Amino acid sequence: GAGVSQSPRYKVAKRGQDVALRCDPISGHVSLFWYQQALGQGPEFLTYFQNEAQLDKSGLPSDRFFAERPEGSVSTLKIQRTQQEDSAVYLCASSLPKRTGLGWARQPQHFGDGTRLSIL
Amino acid sequence: AQSVSQHNHHVILSEAASLELGCNYSYGGTVNLFWYVQYPGQHLQLLLKYFSGDPLVKGIKGFEAEFIKSKFSFNLRKPSVQWSDTAEYFCAVTFHSGGYQKVTFGIGTKLQVIP
Repeated sequence: GAGVSQSPRYKVAKRGQDVALRCDPISGHVSLFWYQQALGQGPEFLTYFQNEAQLDKSGLPSDRFFAERPEGSVSTLKIQRTQQEDSAVYLCASSLPKRTGLGWARQPQHFGDGTRLSIL
Repeated sequence: AQSVSQHNHHVILSEAASLELGCNYSYGGTVNLFWYVQYPGQHLQLLLKYFSGDPLVKGIKGFEAEFIKSKFSFNLRKPSVQWSDTAEYFCAVTFHSGGYQKVTFGIGTKLQVIP
């Protein structure tokens, strides 16, 4: 498969449990993004990695949310002590910034199918 | 804060009707603009993008969009819709921030095409 792969597709957890969501980006993609899409809303930015470095985590809603990408490929989004308001689809996207003579050219992001998280 | 507005949340059209979905953003600087489509049960897919150059952008499946800088708009159009265009459409904007593309999405427009 050449696309972004996310697992699991569906996750149901009880309030207070910890969950871990996995993202396999397209091979070779340097940039990796996590988004949260609540019902009836557009995706909202959570965090960004360039290789293994987490350069922006300004969108993480609380300190219960933690993301990592230790080897610069697979990423995991962890949510501790889940709350009902965490119920959403979590999307992962990756892209490969293109180096040009003028600097970095922005490239569109490729999205995975998402993980639908339901907190009971 | 930068924002993206999509004016129509739910649109119902008959096949062969023309489509125009509005998108406006609030930012006076340099932007990159995208339309993504999400078919039922599928992931977000890129429909078209604007980075620079000709403000009239043509995408896949007969879609096009026009960037009007003075109006901060990037409306999506299709002259004749098909039943298979039934999907949710998201306008997205990257506001130039450092060296990467932090994307801000609109709320989405659900398009239902009636055969």
